[in-house]
Amino acid sequence: RKEVEQDPGPFNVPEGATVAFNCTYSNSASQSFFWYRQDCRKEPKLLMSVYSSGNEDGRFTAQLNRASQYISLLIRDSKLSDSATYLCVVSPSGGYNKLIFGAGTRLAVHP
Amino acid sequence: ETGVTQSPTHLIKTRGQQVTLRCSSQSGHNTVSWYQQALGQGPQFIFQYYREEENGRGNFPPRFSGLQFPNYSSELNVNALELDDSALYLCASSPGANTEAFFGQGTRLTVV
Repeated sequence: RKEVEQDPGPFNVPEGATVAFNCTYSNSASQSFFWYRQDCRKEPKLLMSVYSSGNEDGRFTAQLNRASQYISLLIRDSKLSDSATYLCVVSPSGGYNKLIFGAGTRLAVHP
Repeated sequence: ETGVTQSPTHLIKTRGQQVTLRCSSQSGHNTVSWYQQALGQGPQFIFQYYREEENGRGNFPPRFSGLQFPNYSSELNVNALELDDSALYLCASSPGANTEAFFGQGTRLTVV
């Protein structure tokens, strides 16, 4: 079993749609959780950290359920510029280091 | 721009050869991690260096080795290259464990 598993995608949605990505992780001792965004042939970039209380950044909302070892990302009012691969990431040791990435879910937003 | 620079950007090597990839991190970033990203996969943690010492290693064989220099720049060395080593190699640096790690643009290695 992979340490971090994500919806395989791709997700093809029209502009303005709401889309949700899910992710599960196997190590219950994991301490930090993130969503990264990776554009085609570019490096991953931090989108947002994920907290148990849930957190929101503009059109993006992330949620963590430690009991179910489940992480989600909701994107509202999708834009063409949201097209990218979204990577679910955990850190067993905490912080931003020794990151464990999921395989990513590709999102394509069309006009 | 993240301030993390990797060189070269692209590289083609023959199976069995050795390769050295380089990473220059932002000033003051004492922690460097290396990741391997195969096509269609997420990055996989190779190892991390903190103040010139290896500080954690992923599930990679010993032919993957590294160095961190006093100026905190880093090298990844891979010996006896195999076809499956073809991937994007990413370096990430941060000023500390609890501070965002910034990725370089990566080195795309092709082994033929």
